[in-house]
Amino acid sequence: DAKTTQPNSMESNEEEPVHLPCNHSTISGTDYIHWYRQLPSQGPEYVIHGLTSNVNNRMASLAIAEDRKSSTLILHRATLRDAAVYYCILRDAGAGTYKYIFGTGTRLKVLA
Amino acid sequence: GAGVSQSPSNKVTEKGKDVELRCDPISGHTALYWYRQSLGQGLEFLIYFQGNSAPDKSGLPSDRFSAERTGGSVSTLTIQRTQQEDSAVYLCASKKAGGQLSTDTQYFGPGTRLTVL
Repeated sequence: DAKTTQPNSMESNEEEPVHLPCNHSTISGTDYIHWYRQLPSQGPEYVIHGLTSNVNNRMASLAIAEDRKSSTLILHRATLRDAAVYYCILRDAGAGTYKYIFGTGTRLKVLA
Repeated sequence: GAGVSQSPSNKVTEKGKDVELRCDPISGHTALYWYRQSLGQGLEFLIYFQGNSAPDKSGLPSDRFSAERTGGSVSTLTIQRTQQEDSAVYLCASKKAGGQLSTDTQYFGPGTRLTVL
């Protein structure tokens, strides 16, 4: 399974944009890039996912590098409720397996 | 609508005892996952069910772990002869079938915190 690399932790000020990076240099052509986040004492929740093109939804934006070896999750205006662990995950949709491999993620701290 | 539910929310057991953890997925979701999360760690994949297909058991850490899904809905994760290293939060997730972009979202339950004394 292709792996992802994320910084262990990041800090942001409230109301400012946050860019959470993820490296996935061994990504294959059929790997989707997924982001989930886990708020304290809760199960993870879906944030966004994409394949090649940049994606936007009400929670965030996903910017995918042209070579697909890296991606960035963008929170446009961080709030205190965005403090969580953010996981970048690759899922191979082409091999008939539907495993999600979660790494240790990035712990985002939002400062008031 | 109702989300994924898990029971019990907390379970304390003695080393060597068997435990059963239950997951009720979202109605109509045919895919179901079990994960384990040790303190301060990321999620570890355990097992995946998809409809009537044979489950992907490749993440189960030992033969003390097993899971079943009856009638394509409720799932039970069983840990036999529990060990202290089994202490963790066990998370269940469900999603609609298929790999289409629009349906590829997992919905997680709140987890069961297992403590083995």
